[in-house]
This record gives sequence, C-alpha cells and structure tokens, in this order.
Amino acid sequence: AQTVTQSQPEMSVQEAETVTLSCTYDTSESDYYLFWYKQPPSRQMILVIRQEAYKQQNATENRFSVNFQKAAKSFSLKISDSQLGDAAMYFCAYRSASGGGADGLTFGKGTHLIIQP
Amino acid sequence: DTGVSQDPRHKITKRGQNVTFRCDPISEHNRLYWYRQTLGQGPEFLTYFQNEAQLEKSRLLSDRFSAERPKGSFSTLEIQRTEQGDSAMYLCASSSWDRVTYGYTFGSGTRLTVV
Repeated sequence: AQTVTQSQPEMSVQEAETVTLSCTYDTSESDYYLFWYKQPPSRQMILVIRQEAYKQQNATENRFSVNFQKAAKSFSLKISDSQLGDAAMYFCAYRSASGGGADGLTFGKGTHLIIQP
Repeated sequence: DTGVSQDPRHKITKRGQNVTFRCDPISEHNRLYWYRQTLGQGPEFLTYFQNEAQLEKSRLLSDRFSAERPKGSFSTLEIQRTEQGDSAMYLCASSSWDRVTYGYTFGSGTRLTVV
C-alpha cells in the first residue's frame, strides 16, 4: 500500500516571502499522480497543483510550483510571494495510475500554513 | 452548476442512532467518492462509484456503513448504530472518468458528532 508523509505539522512564513512544504511518499509503482490540495478553515478542499510521475518537468501554477524528485520519492510545494489568503491546511496526495478500479487518493496528514502579516 | 453539495453541513446524533448524509455531485461527473477526515488527519478514502456502480470499498467501510448512488446522480452514505469513533468530517468528491487524473472537486463536507 502507498503511504504519504508530510513531516511538517505547521509552517509559518511572512507575507510576500517564499515557503516550501515537504512531502514524501512510498510506492512500488512507476506510474502515478501526485497532488497538492489546500483546505482553508471550514471550507472545501481545493486542488492547487498536480504532477504526473512520467513527466520530468516540474509543474507550475502561477505562484505555486513543485519540486518532484521521483528517485527520492519527494514532492515538495513551493509557494512564492505568500499572501494572507494562502493560509490553510495543505495536503499532499497520491493516486495510482494502474487503473483496475483503484481510484482513491492517499493523503498525508497535512501541513498547517500560517501567513504572518 | 454550483459544485459538489453536501447535506447536512453538521449532524449531532446520539450513539446507537442511524444517520444518513447526501451528496450531489457536479451534474456531468460520473464518478463520485466518499472520504472521511478526522481531526488532525488527512482524508481517508471510503468508497467510490462510477455511475450507479460501487467499484471500490475501503476496509475502513465496516458493515455499519453503506453507500448508494441509485440513479447515478446523487449519493447517500448511511451509518447504522453510530459509535463515538464515527465522529468525523465526511467528504464527498466528484470527477468525470476521463478527467479523474486531473483531481477531484470536493464538497464542503458533513461534520458528524456522535455524543
């Protein structure tokens, strides 16, 4: 079974600064998808960014980018120019690409991101 | 379409009672998922449907839990004989089968408190 580990329960960053959230995962599969989701307090979970394992190029979405290291099984999220609205729980998630009905996401425990004005 | 809707938002029930939650996915999405999230944890996969067929169930889904999606549209999750350990946020998500690798759209969840 796959596991996802987020070793930082909480991170704090000054507004406009850059912060990196860590995620490692364990799998024996070669093809899979990785996601970062954002969950603001009492609000729904929102997809921030995704990465296909077969792509070497790191995904980027505006101020959000990832550092995907397949051999190291590492998938960190970098948030540039942090804004107050970025404050939330961030979850790293894994999805197998093997098909066959295995369609659930495996989530890490999350990192609570605090933005200091 | 306003996204994935879940009802109720909050539910308080006494131990031993049955509860039922509803999820209305985005209309064109044929895949629907249920997750459970306890305090301080990430969501845990429970089950998913493609149209009306339940294709996968987690070992977390005990015999007291049952989910249905009778017409391939909305879904219900029922918990019978609730226990305090069932207290959690129950999240629903949906996706179209050809876009599933692009991530899901989540609802705001139903927070269950068993007293």
